[in-house]
Order: sequence, then C-alpha cells, then structure tokens
Amino acid sequence: EVQLVESGGGLVQPGGSLRLSCAASGFTFTTYWMSWVRQSPGKGLEWVANIKEDGSEKYYVDSVKGRFTISRDNAKNSLFLQMNSLRAEDTAVYYCARDKFGYRGALGYWGQGTLVTVSS
Amino acid sequence: DIQMTQSPSSLSASVGDRVTISCRASQSIYNYLNWYQQKPGKAPKFLIYVASTLQSEVPSRFSGSGSGTDFTLTISSLQPDDFATYYCQQSYSTPPTFGQGTKVEIK
Repeated sequence: EVQLVESGGGLVQPGGSLRLSCAASGFTFTTYWMSWVRQSPGKGLEWVANIKEDGSEKYYVDSVKGRFTISRDNAKNSLFLQMNSLRAEDTAVYYCARDKFGYRGALGYWGQGTLVTVSS
Repeated sequence: DIQMTQSPSSLSASVGDRVTISCRASQSIYNYLNWYQQKPGKAPKFLIYVASTLQSEVPSRFSGSGSGTDFTLTISSLQPDDFATYYCQQSYSTPPTFGQGTKVEIK
C-alpha cells in the first residue's frame, strides 16, 4: 500500500525557516517524480515544486523560487522541502504527492498534509 | 503559466442527479488534464487522468471528456459520497496548475 506521511509543520514567525519531510513507503521511491502541493485555509490547491527520480531536475512555482528548496534522499525514501524567508502568504497545508507511473504531473497519491502557519 | 478556469464555482444537486463540471484551459493542453475530489479536512483524491481515464477503484458513474482547451467531468447519478469539491489540473506544462475548484453541495 502506498503511504506518504508528512511531518515538520508548525508555527513560525515571518522571515523564519521550516523543513518539511515526507516519508514514503509501499512503492519503489526511486522510480517516481515527487511533488509538494499546498492549500491555504479555505482556498484551492497550488503546486509548489517537484523533483525528478534521481534529484537531477527540480522545478518551482514562481512565488517560492529562491526561498524554497525541494530535495530527496532515495536511500531513506524521503522527500523534503526546505522553506526559508517564510511569509504570511505561505500559510497552508502542505501535501506531499507522487506522480502516477508514466504520467508526469498526474498526482496519483497524496499524503495527509502538514500545516504550516506563518505568524508573529 | 496556463490558467485553468472551472465552472460553476459551486452547485447544488440532489442524490441521483446528473452533474457536469466544466474546465477550460487558457491554451491547448491536448489531453493532459486530471481531476481530483477533495472532502473537507482530507487530502485530494485522484479520479481521472489524461482527460478520460478513470483511476483504479473510482466508480464508473464518474467520467471525463474533452481535449485541447475544454474539458468536462460528469457524475452520471450523484451519490451521497460524492458531495465534495472537485479540481481540474493541467499536467501539460510546468508549473502544473489547478482550477479554482467546484463545490458540489446537497440541495
């Protein structure tokens, strides 16, 4: 069974940093692109970043470029999102998601999400 | 970036009704269109990919159609479990972008 379990969310002050983790199990982690998607309270879904199977390609939404870094540790079946210079508008539930095999960008499996609140 | 526009933003329907949700892309995305269902407090659930292919274990009352810029999600006979918010998403180009969502409520 595919499982994605996010952790690392919490309350942080504006300008602060946070590192999210996603522990993956139930599939061969090294054969999938992985993504982070966020959802602000009461709002819609926004794709944040994704990373290729071997970590050699990474892409970001414009609003987080230069502040967020996606990475993965294939030996530990883990995905990460390092978030720096956090702003109030980064407040959201952050989901880890896995592509459907062979369909890049089609997000076939999602974790339960972790809440990040940026507030003083 | 490709803009995705859903209509309506919300709708009220009864159990057994046929429901149709539209999704329009700002440029052609061929058939790189996915649909998700989300219930309050839960993660999105993957329903349909490449416009019309049902993910495994998704009930056959759900169907998708369209290509180019115009797409449709249809629920042939609305069931109590289907009351939720539905999102379309294009995976043709980076960044992948979502529609604003359509909330299906009980009439």
